[in-house]
Amino acid sequence: KNEVEQSPQNLTAQEGEFITINCSYSVGISALHWLQQHPGGGIVSLFMLSSGKKKHGRLIATINIQEKHSSLHITASHPRDSAVYICAVSIDSNYQLIWGAGTKLIIKP
Amino acid sequence: NAGVTQTPKFQVLKTGQSMTLQCAQDMNHEYMSWYRQDPGMGLRLIHYSVGAGITDQGEVPNGYNVSRSTTEDFPLRLLSAAPSQTSVYFCASSPRWTGSYGYTFGSGTRLTVV
Repeated sequence: KNEVEQSPQNLTAQEGEFITINCSYSVGISALHWLQQHPGGGIVSLFMLSSGKKKHGRLIATINIQEKHSSLHITASHPRDSAVYICAVSIDSNYQLIWGAGTKLIIKP
Repeated sequence: NAGVTQTPKFQVLKTGQSMTLQCAQDMNHEYMSWYRQDPGMGLRLIHYSVGAGITDQGEVPNGYNVSRSTTEDFPLRLLSAAPSQTSVYFCASSPRWTGSYGYTFGSGTRLTVV
């Protein structure tokens, strides 16, 4: 069992739909990261969370430390949101990020 | 602009050649790291550094060498390129090595070994 699991692996939706991507982890963490990678593109850090909720534009990230679960929401989705969204966790006792496998999101116009 | 700068963006090497991928950051970040990304796979850590003069191996270090003589620069050396090293390479930095800080990624280097 992977220490960080994302669901779904693939998601196709229509423009305007509300999108939810989930991330569950099984280890104690110091922070959880959501990142975005467009096809053939670089990696952009969207959020870093250690508790609660953060919002940036149409993106919202939440984390429940007790349940070891985080969600990334996209409101009013747009084709330019099509990308791979990656969840990763960091642990203070380890120098490495533990990566989820990513969720490939396609938003159709 | 502040950030992580990777060069080159693209490179084709012949088997057995050596080269250095450059990574520089101007944010005074302590932590720097190199990842490779292969099709259908997640990012895998090659080497990392928690400060100038300190480096350590990640998950897939074989065939790669690093050094950190300054806070700003963290070059990745391919000693004798092999086709298995064909990949996209990302450099990332963070203010501190403890995990409660965000990461900044470079734009990537797409390397092909023929």
